[in-house]
Amino acid sequence: NAGVTQTPKFRVLKTGQSMTLLCAQDMNHEYMYWYRQDPGMGLRLIHYSVGEGTTAKGEVPDGYNVSRLKKQNFLLGLESAAPSQTSVYFCASTETSAYNEQFFGPGTRLTVL
Amino acid sequence: GENVEQHPSTLSVQEGDSAVIKCTYSDSASNYFPWYKQELGKRPQLIIDIRSNVGEKKDQRIAVTLNKTAKHFSLHITETQPEDSAVYFCAASTPSGGYNKLIFGAGTRLAVHP
Repeated sequence: NAGVTQTPKFRVLKTGQSMTLLCAQDMNHEYMYWYRQDPGMGLRLIHYSVGEGTTAKGEVPDGYNVSRLKKQNFLLGLESAAPSQTSVYFCASTETSAYNEQFFGPGTRLTVL
Repeated sequence: GENVEQHPSTLSVQEGDSAVIKCTYSDSASNYFPWYKQELGKRPQLIIDIRSNVGEKKDQRIAVTLNKTAKHFSLHITETQPEDSAVYFCAASTPSGGYNKLIFGAGTRLAVHP
């Protein structure tokens, strides 16, 4: 099993450009999450999904959109990138949301110039 | 809203010493407290967790204690080794509308010097 994978690993965007980050998991997990990690601020939840076809806002959803068309995939979109969105983005998945380990992907380092 | 505070932000110890990282949480309904370790450039990985009905849990050199009354929980690493050097995150999980929300602390950078 590959676990949780993310594409791409690195990306540089100019302000105003758009992009989509792809997260895939092969563990048949219901729950999937997108976090951003900034120095000194830990992991902050952007959006999450409790199952195929569902999405919900986390702590810092502004400027991002998500879709979960297939159970194994969770896409994070930036419609108009801003320098404040420069960060490392992690995707994670769990079998359920209670008492379960979150399995993280390897991360995507995004720089917005 | 829910908040998890983590201290210290950096910790430097000599190999063989013990290290303690402390977290406090704000929501008394929190019922699950995992700890994640993140090595440089890598993904966070779960190292130990504790549920609210347990006061202490140990796994070899790592232990976690929970004080529900004070809303504190701590990570204890004994006999530290250079490979323990990493950033450690505590987190608190709280039931919220059919979903368990996980809030992370800001992290502690642990450096173990040979």
